[in-house]
Amino acid sequence: DAGVIQSPRHEVTEMGQEVTLRCKPISGHNSLFWYRQTMMRGLELLIYFNNNVPIDDSGMPEDRFSAKMPNASFSTLKIQPSEPRDSAVYFCASRPTGVNEKLFFGSGTQLSVL
Amino acid sequence: GENVEQHPSTLSVQEGDSAVIKCTYSDSASNYFPWYKQELGKGPQLIIDIRSNVGEKKDQRIAVTLNKTAKHFSLHITETQPEDSAVYFCAASIGVGGGNKLTFGTGTQLKVEL
Repeated sequence: DAGVIQSPRHEVTEMGQEVTLRCKPISGHNSLFWYRQTMMRGLELLIYFNNNVPIDDSGMPEDRFSAKMPNASFSTLKIQPSEPRDSAVYFCASRPTGVNEKLFFGSGTQLSVL
Repeated sequence: GENVEQHPSTLSVQEGDSAVIKCTYSDSASNYFPWYKQELGKGPQLIIDIRSNVGEKKDQRIAVTLNKTAKHFSLHITETQPEDSAVYFCAASIGVGGGNKLTFGTGTQLKVEL
């Protein structure tokens, strides 16, 4: 089992540029989550999907952020245009079917917006 | 929504001593309380969890206690070892009725000194 795979591991970009973060959940998991981690705000849930359908995006900061899950094995989180305050570690996590099942996190993408 | 507070933010213990991390939550409907360990450069990993119908759970050197009346839960690590050094997060979830979303505490940096 390869676990949750995120790419890239590190991303450095300039303000105003588009950033796309990618995630491959564990095969068979039907729920996928995007979290953002900063020193100031800790781990924040941005959005989550069940069976590829967005269920709750209330944590998405603003319209500059968008997330898609075109199929069960792939999801993207896009920021356009990026701003320095978006600098953070972004985690993708997946979970199998069931209530309160264990959440498996990827290794994260360290994003720096200059 | 749910609010989870975690204390202390940093904890330093001598190898072999015990470590205790405490969390409180605000929503009495929460019924699932996992603890995650995050090592440097990695995503959080579940180490133990407890459900609201149980007051205590133990797994080797790790134990978690839950007081639903007071709305607080704690992580206990006995016989600490250097490899226990990491950031620990508590979390709470309301379950299906609340969207089954995890709300995380702000984390505790545990350092086990030789």
